[in-house]
Amino acid sequence: QQQVKQSPQSLIVQKGGISIINCAYENTAFDYFPWYQQFPGKGPALLIAIRPDVSEKKEGRFTISFNKSAKQFSLHIMDSQPGDSATYFCAASKDGNQFYFGTGTSLTVIP
Amino acid sequence: KAGVTQTPRYLIKTRGQQVTLSCSPISGHRSVSWYQQTPGQGLQFLFEYFSETQRNKGNFPGRFSGRQFSNSRSEMNVSTLELGDSALYLCASSLDPGGLYGYTFGSGTRLTVV
Repeated sequence: QQQVKQSPQSLIVQKGGISIINCAYENTAFDYFPWYQQFPGKGPALLIAIRPDVSEKKEGRFTISFNKSAKQFSLHIMDSQPGDSATYFCAASKDGNQFYFGTGTSLTVIP
Repeated sequence: KAGVTQTPRYLIKTRGQQVTLSCSPISGHRSVSWYQQTPGQGLQFLFEYFSETQRNKGNFPGRFSGRQFSNSRSEMNVSTLELGDSALYLCASSLDPGGLYGYTFGSGTRLTVV
């Protein structure tokens, strides 16, 4: 059973546009929600993370929106750039135990 | 500062063989976690070691095992390889157990079972 469901599977956005990736989770005990970015041939790298006591966290062009009641969280990439083209994974964990990852979103930003 | 180093980068094995993958964490990191990445399933947690002790284990068969040495380096072993074990195996290290301050992933070992 997929603990974290991610959509869309792939996304194409024009340069300067907003990229939005969504995730939904099942376990209400999850208390940490990171997003990872992965380039081809590399391992995932931590991009931004949020805890359920806040509804939004912003770091530069990247924003996580968190809806605890709906058990959903999303990543917004503002002013998307070709260099943002990568695969993005959402994840969730409880008490520092294993992370459950979404299946990934392949983002392509067209110049 | 050196990152997480995984060796080898690529590996081709025959069904039924066994394989050992190696991971050297960032200096000072005592937690090492292993993940299997496949196109259909994404990243699936295998196990985590902290200070030479297995702290958590994912839902994989007993053919998958690991260990951690006193210098925090870790190895993962897969015995009796199956075609379905073909995947990218990622190692991640962190200062704290559970990676709550962020994992640093290596570039992975691409295992192909033929």
